[in-house]
Amino acid sequence: AQTVTQSQPEMSVQEAETVTLSCTYDTSESDYYLFWYKQPPSRQMILVIRQEAYKQQNATENRFSVNFQKAAKSFSLKISDSQLGDAAMYFCAHSGVRVFGTGTRLKVLA
Amino acid sequence: GAVVSQHPSWVICKSGTSVKIECRSLDFQATTMFWYRQFPKQSLMLMATSNEGSKATYEQGVEKDKFLINHASLTLSTLTVTSAHPEDSSFYICSAPGRRETEAFFGQGTRLTVV
Repeated sequence: AQTVTQSQPEMSVQEAETVTLSCTYDTSESDYYLFWYKQPPSRQMILVIRQEAYKQQNATENRFSVNFQKAAKSFSLKISDSQLGDAAMYFCAHSGVRVFGTGTRLKVLA
Repeated sequence: GAVVSQHPSWVICKSGTSVKIECRSLDFQATTMFWYRQFPKQSLMLMATSNEGSKATYEQGVEKDKFLINHASLTLSTLTVTSAHPEDSSFYICSAPGRRETEAFFGQGTRLTVV
């Protein structure tokens, strides 16, 4: 079965600092995508970043980057230079967004 | 990017009545759409996958007769909560996958309250 695990229910980061959110997954597929989604208070799901399993290079989108460890089935999200607007729920997703982790609530402290 | 519009944003209905939620892909054709349910402070749980022109595929534990899904066209999927009860109150979200499921486009969600 496809599973996604986020072990950090809540994280806090000081504005302008860096924070890493953890995600592990399980899959029997050989080619797949992994996603990080942000859900602000509006509850609109926003794609933050995605990674294709076949690509060894870690994906990067501006202040957001991932550390993808395929063998370890780990897919962590690093947010650099954290901003107040980054405060939200973050979900790791797999299997074409069929399976989501339990989420990590990120608080950004001014 | 592609846009998925979900309507209504919120709805209050009386116990025992049915309510329909629409999910439209505005600028692309979606042969598949996903329907999720999200309880407060919890994750998204996939309820079912709707397929244009064929029956929906429901996840284990989801009542097919309670949650009717129809995907009548390439741009519209609907979720009807039948004979709603207070325990059906939740946040419902739809999404449409992009090409090769490399991304997904989400609707704004619908907050359903059954009184």
